[in-house]
Amino acid sequence: TQLLEQSPQFLSIQEGENLTVYCNSSSVFSSLQWYRQEPGEGPVLLVTVVTGGEVKKLKRLTFQFGDARKDSSLHITAAQPGDTGLYLCADRSQGNLIFGKGTKLSVKP
Amino acid sequence: GAGVSQSPSNKVTEKGKDVELRCDPISGHTALYWYRQSLGQGLEFLIYFQGNSAPDKSGLPSDRFSAERTGGSVSTLTIQRTQQEDSAVYLCASSLLRRSGANVLTFGAGSRLTVL
Repeated sequence: TQLLEQSPQFLSIQEGENLTVYCNSSSVFSSLQWYRQEPGEGPVLLVTVVTGGEVKKLKRLTFQFGDARKDSSLHITAAQPGDTGLYLCADRSQGNLIFGKGTKLSVKP
Repeated sequence: GAGVSQSPSNKVTEKGKDVELRCDPISGHTALYWYRQSLGQGLEFLIYFQGNSAPDKSGLPSDRFSAERTGGSVSTLTIQRTQQEDSAVYLCASSLLRRSGANVLTFGAGSRLTVL
């Protein structure tokens, strides 16, 4: 059974700081997705990465996929309070998606 | 509808009662998923429906949990004889199944269940 480990579990920073969160898999990812979940809402897809070594940028967010396709990172530049939320990575497994436990990010003004 | 709709948004019940949670997926989405999220935790997979195929029930935690999907659209998750450990947010999602396999899930806002 594939396990997705995310770190850190919690992260509290000040507005304007940079941060990186990580997702590691016990086996090769099929297709990795990152989601963000705000309180009281369901997760919303941020990005899908498929190719080893792939880098995708979404405004201040940079997603990297490891060459071996077993790890990924999400880097946020100049974090803002609106970035606060639970960041989840997920991988396709036999048709459904399995999720990591997430990194809970709090950005204070 | 434009998004995935779940009801009720909040449910408080007594231990031992049965509850039903409903999910209306996006029209035309062939896949439907149920997840459970305990306070501050990640998403625990429960069950997955894909078209007319037999559902993947591998995530259901006990035989008190069951789900059905009628007419390939609306789904109901039923929890019988609820226990306090069933308290959680139950999230439903739907998606189109893409050839690339990179399904994009659209989630509802969830049903928060509290068992007293």
